[in-house]
Amino acid sequence: GDSVTQMEGPVTLSEEAFLTINCTYTATGYPSLFWYVQYPGEGLQLLLKATKADDKGSNKGFEATYRKETTSFHLEKGSVQVSDSAVYFCALYSQGGSEKLVFGKGTKLTVNP
Amino acid sequence: DAGITQSPRHKVTETGTPVTLRCHQTENHRYMYWYRQDPGHGLRLIHYSYGVKDTDKGEVSDGYSVSRSKTEDFLLTLESATSSQTSVYFCAISETTGVGAEKLFFGSGTQLSVL
Repeated sequence: GDSVTQMEGPVTLSEEAFLTINCTYTATGYPSLFWYVQYPGEGLQLLLKATKADDKGSNKGFEATYRKETTSFHLEKGSVQVSDSAVYFCALYSQGGSEKLVFGKGTKLTVNP
Repeated sequence: DAGITQSPRHKVTETGTPVTLRCHQTENHRYMYWYRQDPGHGLRLIHYSYGVKDTDKGEVSDGYSVSRSKTEDFLLTLESATSSQTSVYFCAISETTGVGAEKLFFGSGTQLSVL
């Protein structure tokens, strides 16, 4: 079945540090990959997406590249800010597979000034 | 922001009592979902709806029922609440399924505590 595995958190960084949150997936069908972000006290919102192999999704300084050969979609940001403190969820949608959005367990990021 | 309202925002109840959570949308989206969020488990799908009176089970549906009598409202009912159902519940909506279905819009959540 479809599944997503994210690196365990929490992750604590200083402002302007480099961020990587690892995500790997298992999917039947033809998966599209996503990162959602949840700020404190709020629901999730879509951060970025990639719908085919080698696509790079980007938004708000965050990037992730769809790597079919390693079944990965790692989230990166070159210089984090305190306002990036949130929980980040990797997710996949598999056309021809489960056809439901499947989420990872989430990684909590705290950025200190 | 997508027009999704969850009510109540917080609820404390006792084991064995029935509980109903409401999700109301103003977007006229066809698809609606209920998720629960728990530490160490992330988000798990409870039930979803693909139209009025059309619903189906997700991965953690035991102990929950849903109803959708109008496009805008999706109700989640715990017939007899248990402590294991203490969680944060999120409603989500999407305009379509297939390509584009990844664009889920989430409500702000309901914190439910079952004592």
